[in-house]
This record gives sequence, C-alpha cells and structure tokens, in this order.
Amino acid sequence: NAGVTQTPKFQVLKTGQSMTLQCAQDMNHNSMYWYRQDPGMGLRLIYYSASEGTTDKGEVPNGYNVSRLNKREFSLRLESAAPSQTSVYFCASNRQGSNQPQHFGDGTRLSIL
Amino acid sequence: AQSVTQPDIHITVSEGASLELRCNYSYGATPYLFWYVQSPGQGLQLLLKYFSGDTLVQGIKGFEAEFKRSQSSFNLRKPSVHWSDAAEYFCAVVSDNYGQNFVFGPGTRLSVLP
Repeated sequence: NAGVTQTPKFQVLKTGQSMTLQCAQDMNHNSMYWYRQDPGMGLRLIYYSASEGTTDKGEVPNGYNVSRLNKREFSLRLESAAPSQTSVYFCASNRQGSNQPQHFGDGTRLSIL
Repeated sequence: AQSVTQPDIHITVSEGASLELRCNYSYGATPYLFWYVQSPGQGLQLLLKYFSGDTLVQGIKGFEAEFKRSQSSFNLRKPSVHWSDAAEYFCAVVSDNYGQNFVFGPGTRLSVLP
C-alpha cells in the first residue's frame, strides 16, 4: 500500500548543481503536484499536472522544470540549484475533481550549499 | 486571490484538554475545505473535508470541524487531546472549479504537555 513514493528522502547539493526529484503514485490518479514547504509559509505549489501529457505552472515555478513521464510518475528538476531552493519538497496526487483530496508523499529534504 | 489564514502559529495544550485550531479563508464561491496533519518527518495526512451539506464534519483520530459561512471559518476541534496529536496542522481550500490549486494556510504547530 505504497501510495505516493518520493526519492531521494534527503539530498545535499552545491550551488549550480542539477538534480531530479522523483515521484511515483500507485493509486491510478490523474493529477499530480509538486510543492515546496518552507517554515511559516505552508505549502506553495511549484507545478502540477492535471493529466498525463499536461503540465502547468503553480505559484513558484522559477528555477524548476517538470516532466510527467507517464500516469504514475512526475519528476521535478532543478537545473542549476540555488541556496534559495533549500526546502522540503512534497509530491501529491489526486483524482480529477475539485472535491478530491490530495495524497502526499513523505517529502524530499533538499539542502543547497 | 484566494487565501487561507491560520492565526495561531503555535499552540500548547495539556493532554486531555480540548483543542480548537482556527482557520479563515477568503474565497468568493462555495469552498471545498480540508484539514491535514503533518507529523515530524512525514507528509501530510488528510483529517477531514467539507464540500456541502452538514456544516459539522467528522474526521479521523477524533477530530471534527465546523464550517461557518458567515464567518468564513472552518475551525478544527477535538474534545480531548492525546500526546500523539502533537504535530503541525494545515487548513486548505480549493481555489478553482477543477481542484487543481489547493491553497494551504501557513500551519499551526501543536505541542501537547503531559
């Protein structure tokens, strides 16, 4: 009963390095999301994918790119990491529809030095 | 723009005491409202949700929330807090008809004294 799985759980990068955060869900959900969580700011939406083959910007997309690889997988890429991107990143998924709650992974804790 | 406020950054209660966490939202249409809980090092878990109908909704772990349209509020309550309830709590509102944009409040951290 995995739900939403994120890898890696922890990562330390140097400024300017790139990396990809992976997310996979096994609930056959159409929609997937990437958030970042910073102290006192709740969760802010980076990108989302309403369905396979589509992606859209959220509130804070600058410095990130995403790929909806298939229905199960949605990856987040930092092309040139900056210290301001130090955060906890969460992936979520849900069925389409405004009354459908989101299901979250356990997060990736990313530090940029 | 839609927004969610949680006026209390940090609340401390004694085990066995009652709890109320406040949530206010700004949204023009009928909102879909959610409460999530986040334990340390974990993702967010859904506690309860409100879509329509009865304004008092029951959730998991003994939590309930009441929707008050006149006050634009959706406060979370629990009659008797357990030490395992110590966590961070987030209120959220869906900001469009397609459910693609959840707007989360900043969170309230709950500490429980033995």
